[in-house]
Amino acid sequence: NAGVTQTPKFQVLKTGQSMTLQCAQDMNHEYMSWYRQDPGMGLRLIHYSVGAGITDQGEVPNGYNVSRSTTEDFPLRLLSAAPSQTSVYFCASRRRQESSYEQYFGPGTRLTVT
Amino acid sequence: KNQVEQSPQSLIILEGKNCTLQCNYTVSPFSNLRWYKQDTGRGPVSLTIMTFSENTKSNGRYTATLDADTKQSSLHITASQLSDSASYICVVSAGDDKIIFGKGTRLHILP
Repeated sequence: NAGVTQTPKFQVLKTGQSMTLQCAQDMNHEYMSWYRQDPGMGLRLIHYSVGAGITDQGEVPNGYNVSRSTTEDFPLRLLSAAPSQTSVYFCASRRRQESSYEQYFGPGTRLTVT
Repeated sequence: KNQVEQSPQSLIILEGKNCTLQCNYTVSPFSNLRWYKQDTGRGPVSLTIMTFSENTKSNGRYTATLDADTKQSSLHITASQLSDSASYICVVSAGDDKIIFGKGTRLHILP
């Protein structure tokens, strides 16, 4: 199993540009989520999905959209990038929503918005 | 407010020495507590998970303890190795499956 994969690994955007961060998992996990990690802060939940066709907002959803058309894929879209969105983004998945299931993280995407 | 506080923020020790990282939380209702290791440039990887009834859990040279009464946990690393250099993140889950992340302790192991 490849686990959780993310692309790209690095990205530089100009303010106002849009882009999609890709995330895929091959473990048939129902639950997938996106986090951002900023210096001096814990990981913060952006959006999550409990299954194909179902998404919901996390702690910091503004400026981001998600969709879950398949179990495997959970892309994160930045509609109009802002410098405040400079961060490292992690996608994660676990078998089900219950927190007792182990959560697996992808390798991250480092995004810089100038 | 649900919070997870970790100390110290950073720690430097010599290879072969032991160290203990601390985690205090105010999460209610408590479901479980995990310790993650995050290598530079990588995603976090789970080391241990502890539920309310568990006091100690080991994973190789890593031993986690939990005191649910005082809402404290610690991660003890024995005979540190250079590969232990990483950030260690304490993560507490609430009864509604909400997950609260600590800010992490950055551990540096010197040869």
